[in-house]
Amino acid sequence: AQTVTQSQPEMSVQEAETVTLSCTYDTSESDYYLFWYKQPPSRQMILVIRQEAYKQQNATENRFSVNFQKAAKSFSLKISDSQLGDAAMYFCAYRTTFTTSGTYKYIFGTGTRLKVLA
Amino acid sequence: DGGITQSPKYLFRKEGQNVTLSCEQNLNHDAMYWYRQDPGQGLRLIYYSQIVNDFQKGDIAEGYSVSREKKESFPLTVTSAQKNPTAFYLCASSRPGLRTGELFFGEGSRLTVL
Repeated sequence: AQTVTQSQPEMSVQEAETVTLSCTYDTSESDYYLFWYKQPPSRQMILVIRQEAYKQQNATENRFSVNFQKAAKSFSLKISDSQLGDAAMYFCAYRTTFTTSGTYKYIFGTGTRLKVLA
Repeated sequence: DGGITQSPKYLFRKEGQNVTLSCEQNLNHDAMYWYRQDPGQGLRLIYYSQIVNDFQKGDIAEGYSVSREKKESFPLTVTSAQKNPTAFYLCASSRPGLRTGELFFGEGSRLTVL
């Protein structure tokens, strides 16, 4: 079974600085997707960025980028120019290949709480 | 606007009572999911469904039940058999036919059992 590990329960970053959140996963599949979701205090889950496993190029969305190391099964999130609004829980998620039931399963890590210091 | 609506947002129940959490989506998504969120444990999959009248157990299905009578609706019942039901529950949906499909989430329901 696939697993997702986020080893940093909490991180802090100074406003305008850069922070990297770690995520590792375990799988025997070759075709999958990886996601980072943000959960602010409102608890609404928001997609931050996604990465296709077969693409070597790291995904980027404005101030958010990933470092995807497929062989190492690592998928870290880098936030540049951190802003107060970035303070939230961040979840790494793995989407399996199509299951026998005809859909995908999404597996989440335990989350990293990011604090942004003014 | 399309989205996922969960109700109620907050729910208090006495121990031993069954409770049903509502999840409705108007995104025309085929797949729907229920997750439970506890501090320090992330999101854990309870049940998921690809089509009407079909659903599968996730990792922590014991003490829960679901139905999928309509494409738009996927209610979750927390039964008295669930030993520790106090948690935050998230409903989500996706389009399996869309290769890049991510999960879309509702705003969640907070269940407290007294």
